[in-house]
Amino acid sequence: DSGVTQTPKHLITATGQRVTLRCSPRSGDLSVYWYQQSLDQGLQFLIQYYNGEERAKGNILERFSAQQFPDLHSELNLSSLELGDSALYFCASSVLSGITDTQYFGPGTRLTVL
Amino acid sequence: GQQVMQIPQYQHVQEGEDFTTYCNSSTTLSNIQWYKQRPGGHPVFLIQLVKSGEVKKQKRLTFQFGEAKKNSSLHITATQTTDVGTYFCAPYAGNNRKLIWGLGTSLAVNP
Repeated sequence: DSGVTQTPKHLITATGQRVTLRCSPRSGDLSVYWYQQSLDQGLQFLIQYYNGEERAKGNILERFSAQQFPDLHSELNLSSLELGDSALYFCASSVLSGITDTQYFGPGTRLTVL
Repeated sequence: GQQVMQIPQYQHVQEGEDFTTYCNSSTTLSNIQWYKQRPGGHPVFLIQLVKSGEVKKQKRLTFQFGEAKKNSSLHITATQTTDVGTYFCAPYAGNNRKLIWGLGTSLAVNP
């Protein structure tokens, strides 16, 4: 158990809908990262927040947005969902924001778009 | 943008055989981390390499960072069924802080 929690575990929804994925980092960690993992794309970095502020941006679509709240939990919002958004979404956390930080991954949320 | 290639994409070995995966970058890396993801699980941190030419060992696993800091390798000696999973390299790009992950190498071990 990494100490990172993600809810829900599974989510099934329809195209065009909007969903919110939630992540609680390990106690004491200030950074939260979001990743998308699909079979053909591997693990894609989406975005990083550090202490409430956006720190780094990866291949995140405009239909997706994220935020980190004062209590350091984070939410990833996915809107106008498409079939291709079906994937496993991981959240990870680290103590700081530096390039040498170890990331601790949560168990993931499996999103299925029908 | 920075390109990272991880090879091979898949590897199937007999238990007891050795295994190596390579991570190659088109540009010089700041550092590199390796993660392992078991089937149905989440990535778990294995090691971080920072210095040019660095070699680190964890039991049967040997990690290497190239002299030019453009490539890295993970070698497993005498694989076991517990080694099954996907191994990812996660190189750090430096100033832009973009986290560029390789596609991973999926290792299958026949008992």
